[in-house]
Amino acid sequence: SQQGEEDPQALSIQEGENATMNCSYKTSINNLQWYRQNSGRGLVHLILIRSNEREKHSGRLRVTLDTSKKSSSLLITASRAADTASYFCVHGGGSNYKLTFGKGTLLTVNP
Amino acid sequence: DTAVSQTPKYLVTQMGNDKSIKCEQNLGHDTMYWYKQDSKKFLKIMFSYNNKELIINETVPNRFSPKSPDKAHLNLHINSLELGDSAVYFCASSQDNWYTEAFFGQGTRLTVV
Repeated sequence: SQQGEEDPQALSIQEGENATMNCSYKTSINNLQWYRQNSGRGLVHLILIRSNEREKHSGRLRVTLDTSKKSSSLLITASRAADTASYFCVHGGGSNYKLTFGKGTLLTVNP
Repeated sequence: DTAVSQTPKYLVTQMGNDKSIKCEQNLGHDTMYWYKQDSKKFLKIMFSYNNKELIINETVPNRFSPKSPDKAHLNLHINSLELGDSAVYFCASSQDNWYTEAFFGQGTRLTVV
């Protein structure tokens, strides 16, 4: 299976704390993306990092990519209750026209 | 305007019926996808189309037949529905396959009884 794995599967923190989620994948990639899914809703794209990039920032989000270890991390700083959602790392692109999702990390931010 | 819209949002039907889910994107994207999300929240690709041509059919039973009348539409028709087809189905689109984000619809929750 080319599916990636997020770690941890579930994470519960207090508002204001930082949340770190990790992702590992098995194949070579063109890019790696992170998506958020609120309960019962569609997926929202958060950030994309290319295979030749090592770190990227967007607002309170920081993503790192280590292609030698086939891993990525998503850091959400100063978390808010509204950040409560499932977070998926997604890799794909290239000639296969397929985005492969990991199993997701369920983040709960307690007020 | 909604970028990727699916209809219906909810669909409850009996085993053996045939149903369709429609998807439209107004982003001018070339690539469209159908994903299935099971009860454990695992998202798996079913089909991807590029410029109306089928690119990926990820070992989906032939009871599922996608149709792309034009680049902006990718509909999913399901014949002889089974209990195991119950899931949330997501349509998505992206500009192309290189270094671009995908935009997802809100999903269609299909319940087969």
